[in-house]
Amino acid sequence: NSKVIQTPRYLVKGQGQKAKMRCIPEKGHPVVFWYQQNKNNEFKFLINFQNQEVLQQIDMTEKRFSAECPSNSPCSLEIQSSEAGDSALYLCASSPDRNTGQLYFGEGSKLTVL
Amino acid sequence: SQLAEENSWALSVHEGESVTVNCSYKTSITALQWYRQKSGKGPAQLILIRSNEREKRNGRLRATLDTSSQSSSLSITATRCEDTAVYFCATDAGGSNAKLTFGKGTKLSVKS
Repeated sequence: NSKVIQTPRYLVKGQGQKAKMRCIPEKGHPVVFWYQQNKNNEFKFLINFQNQEVLQQIDMTEKRFSAECPSNSPCSLEIQSSEAGDSALYLCASSPDRNTGQLYFGEGSKLTVL
Repeated sequence: SQLAEENSWALSVHEGESVTVNCSYKTSITALQWYRQKSGKGPAQLILIRSNEREKRNGRLRATLDTSSQSSSLSITATRCEDTAVYFCATDAGGSNAKLTFGKGTKLSVKS
């Protein structure tokens, strides 16, 4: 069973609504990733953190998406104004070290935008 | 930009048979990983093979890496129904951000 905890497992939003997902990384893992997986199983990297600092993020993330990993709180990914094209599985992964390549994924939050 | 892709969209075998999933990529890498994703679950790492390695094993799984042809394979022997999943290769180009680039996946069905 995954030790990366993602909530909620499912969320349904109307277009224009906010959608927020949370992730508790595996204990002792300072590096956290968010990926979007569409219905065709394609992965899109969104953003990653080391502790509270952003390592890299894509343009999409800078606009309607926001993410943070505060100390002593779950990481979160929020879509400010959901669009139909945002419907996807949002996967959080954590890693003990950004140089090891060892990613441990949660089970994802499946977002449906009506 | 880096691209990783599996060479078959779907494969089907019977229990006990062996199967190989292939992957090709476009740019230089420091490592390649194979993941398995079962229905309704997140991906789970199976094997990580670094660019200076040619083969890696994990139980019934064997991964190979050929950096000259920029390709990798994942072989599963003595398949079981529970091996039914989507298999992804993911490449690591190195650098400080540790981002992986995933292929589109090969759906493997193991039938009894």
